Amino acid sequence: SQQGEEDPQALSIQEGENATMNCSYKTSINNLQWYRQNSGRGLVHLILIRSNEREKHSGRLRVTLDTSKKSSSLLITASRAADTASYFCATDAWTTDSWGKLQFGAGTQVVVTP
Amino acid sequence: GAGVSQSPSNKVTEKGKDVELRCDPISGHTALYWYRQSLGQGLEFLIYFQGNSAPDKSGLPSDRFSAERTGGSVSTLTIQRTQQEDSAVYLCASSADSGFATGELFFGEGSRLTVL
Repeated sequence: SQQGEEDPQALSIQEGENATMNCSYKTSINNLQWYRQNSGRGLVHLILIRSNEREKHSGRLRVTLDTSKKSSSLLITASRAADTASYFCATDAWTTDSWGKLQFGAGTQVVVTP
Repeated sequence: GAGVSQSPSNKVTEKGKDVELRCDPISGHTALYWYRQSLGQGLEFLIYFQGNSAPDKSGLPSDRFSAERTGGSVSTLTIQRTQQEDSAVYLCASSADSGFATGELFFGEGSRLTVL
């Protein structure tokens, strides 16, 4: 079963708007990562937030982490057509059942229209 | 090369044949991962290597799937007696050893397997 689940499954916005997607997970984590995947391509790392961090920024990206609620959010501000992609969260649990295993959610498909 | 390299990029095979998928990680990366992604789906964890050993093989779907890594570098994922449900994109990723937590993964472009 997947550790992380993204919400919504799909998101359609216009250029200039902000896009927010959420990720919920089940077990305690060491860190949480967000990745982006353009259609038919490999995944590209966007940002990593550690379990003792609450917020992190990178360019137009803002990630929050609430370990008490086991959830994270990714905000893309001032979206561009080039931001059209699928976005995945991934968690690193390092439990006896998942040692060294980075588990991915099902992803949020974002479409940004000009 | 500078990134993770996977080959072949596309493979079409007949049901029942064996296939081998290869992954060349970034030089110096000790951790190597295999994932499977079906059309429009998320990533399914298959196996993880730390050096040449595989601490976690729990994601391999059946005993038809096996993987090895030699010299702490190149890895091969082998699927024996392929079935149509094996059709997917097989993604490889590598990561520098960051201690007790998984760091950033660098992905290859994947090997698209189609079983007829």
